[in-house]
Amino acid sequence: GAGVSQSPSNKVTEKGKDVELRCDPISGHTALYWYRQSLGQGLEFLIYFQGNSAPDKSGLPSDRFSAERTGGSVSTLTIQRTQQEDSAVYLCASSARGQRSEQFFGPGTRLTVL
Amino acid sequence: SQQGEEDPQALSIQEGENATMNCSYKTSINNLQWYRQNSGRGLVHLILIRSNEREKHSGRLRVTLDTSKKSSSLLITASRAADTASYFCATDDGKLTFGTGTRLQVTL
Repeated sequence: GAGVSQSPSNKVTEKGKDVELRCDPISGHTALYWYRQSLGQGLEFLIYFQGNSAPDKSGLPSDRFSAERTGGSVSTLTIQRTQQEDSAVYLCASSARGQRSEQFFGPGTRLTVL
Repeated sequence: SQQGEEDPQALSIQEGENATMNCSYKTSINNLQWYRQNSGRGLVHLILIRSNEREKHSGRLRVTLDTSKKSSSLLITASRAADTASYFCATDDGKLTFGTGTRLQVTL
């Protein structure tokens, strides 16, 4: 596709359930990022994948959060045993040359934990 | 914690006026980027300024960078209602870190 896509666009879940959020980056982009944005706040970095290197997981808030990137393309962010404070918009971005270049963002997934 | 802090947090102007937003940061950077966000969804890249550059233009946008003061400014000239959005600076100090944003409201 022409841009970064994310699915689902909205997800409502009950506290304690697991959720999976998907990101399809721009074809050919080697770098992929996940961010979290709470209402009216800035972006909180979660995790960064660059090529075949080990991901930078320094932003993951707890061990309930994990992410994979299969085949250097699609990425899945998994949140286990969701809590109400996990409610936020989860944004994915990709870039062609890593951290020092322009990032292209997807539309985000709005997660609501009841 | 946030690397970049935008100022002001919110700005309301009339169409045709100029809007200036400022960003301050704490560590040495490789580059600084400005992004725009509509309706709390995906961000759109506006402009990137490298640490050895002092000023950059793109259409109605002008960005300045003062590495001695660790600050940057984004100027939008002749604003339009469609410029209403949140604007974020992002600093590259090995990892891209976003600021808290300025909410710009342009009224007719």
